[in-house]
Amino acid sequence: DGGITQSPKYLFRKEGQNVTLSCEQNLNHDAMYWYRQDPGQGLRLIYYSQIVNDFQKGDIAEGYSVSREKKESFPLTVTSAQKNPTAFYLCASSDAGTFTDTQYFGPGTRLTVL
Amino acid sequence: GQNIDQPTEMTATEGAIVQINCTYQTSGFNGLFWYQQHAGEAPTFLSYNVLDGLEEKGRFSSFLSRSKGYSYLLLKELQMKDSASYLCAVRAMYYGGATNKLIFGTGTLLAVQP
Repeated sequence: DGGITQSPKYLFRKEGQNVTLSCEQNLNHDAMYWYRQDPGQGLRLIYYSQIVNDFQKGDIAEGYSVSREKKESFPLTVTSAQKNPTAFYLCASSDAGTFTDTQYFGPGTRLTVL
Repeated sequence: GQNIDQPTEMTATEGAIVQINCTYQTSGFNGLFWYQQHAGEAPTFLSYNVLDGLEEKGRFSSFLSRSKGYSYLLLKELQMKDSASYLCAVRAMYYGGATNKLIFGTGTLLAVQP
């Protein structure tokens, strides 16, 4: 079955610690994205990557870092510089070669910083 | 600026029809998506409109008027499982036309009652 996986589903960390969220896809999509979702707000773009070894900042990149060493993987690191890291994090991917370029989402990781 | 407006909450009765509206002001419009999101889960793709008119997909239809900056999602024969948030997202040119990005509304929480 093709899809996007994120792990873990729930993650707890102490303040001041860096944490890395995993995102893997086997859809053969070139483009991958990280969003953050907070109550009462729309999804906000953190980082995106259109191709391996390249990525761009989204609207709220401060305090986050990413890498794209493989087509299938786009891990997100939440650093201690992120002032309010507790949120629901969603990874998505899309096939930019299609007309609609629809983004498909993984199940999400709920990060709680104590 | 870029802005998307949706009602925060709606209530409807099982078996009925409900229309969820979305208005937007964006530059570089390049398509509109509707996603369904159950609590604590990932958004799932419902529909895509880029030209004016109605797109029908089973019990779900989506309409777009580009001149009015307006879309709606129509859900027929409502079922209890349709209780979820419905996200309107506009694709717009980003970074001087180099790529597209999705701008999400805050979502409409639909409660279907027996």
